[in-house]
Amino acid sequence: NAGVTQTPKFQVLKTGQSMTLQCAQDMNHNSMYWYRQDPGMGLRLIYYSASEGTTDKGEVPNGYNVSRLNKREFSLRLESAAPSQTSVYFCATNRGEESPLHFGNGTRLTVT
Amino acid sequence: AQRVTQPEKLLSVFKGAPVELKCNYSYSGSPELFWYVQYSRQRLQLLLRHISRESIKGFTADLNKGETSFHLKKPFAQEEDSAMYYCAPANKFYFGSGTKLNVKP
Repeated sequence: NAGVTQTPKFQVLKTGQSMTLQCAQDMNHNSMYWYRQDPGMGLRLIYYSASEGTTDKGEVPNGYNVSRLNKREFSLRLESAAPSQTSVYFCATNRGEESPLHFGNGTRLTVT
Repeated sequence: AQRVTQPEKLLSVFKGAPVELKCNYSYSGSPELFWYVQYSRQRLQLLLRHISRESIKGFTADLNKGETSFHLKKPFAQEEDSAMYYCAPANKFYFGSGTKLNVKP
């Protein structure tokens, strides 16, 4: 039972490159989330998916796209990476609106 | 919007001292609030939720509607409590900015 799995763990990109961060869960949760974590700013919600087939913007969606591929998988894509997107990215899931979040281990992304 | 504020970026205490990590919320109604903890090099994990009214690892948090606060408290801090602590509302949008707790030996 892996819970929430994120790949890759680390990534270095050059400005303008694209990449997709993967998230998979085996908890049978409906909702999935992508956050970024920056020093002094805490966690900020990028996008979320309340259920399979739906996605919505969070607090800081610009520069990102997401895909809820199926109930298990929720990917985050950077089409043209910028240094401001250097951050640690966390995927999280929960059963429903008021229930607590379960987090992945994070992806540390550096854009040079 | 359901927002929370954590006024302290860093809190340093000595082992055995009491600790209080502050969290204030700024919305009306009945808030549903959580505390999450992130130990070094580990994933964030749930520490407490206010409706459970339980004590986890010696920590408690009481919702004070008059002061709109949900402070996290522990009477005797341990070195293994050193971590980042986040207060968050149930809507998942606006986490607090986090408080780094450093417990010194």
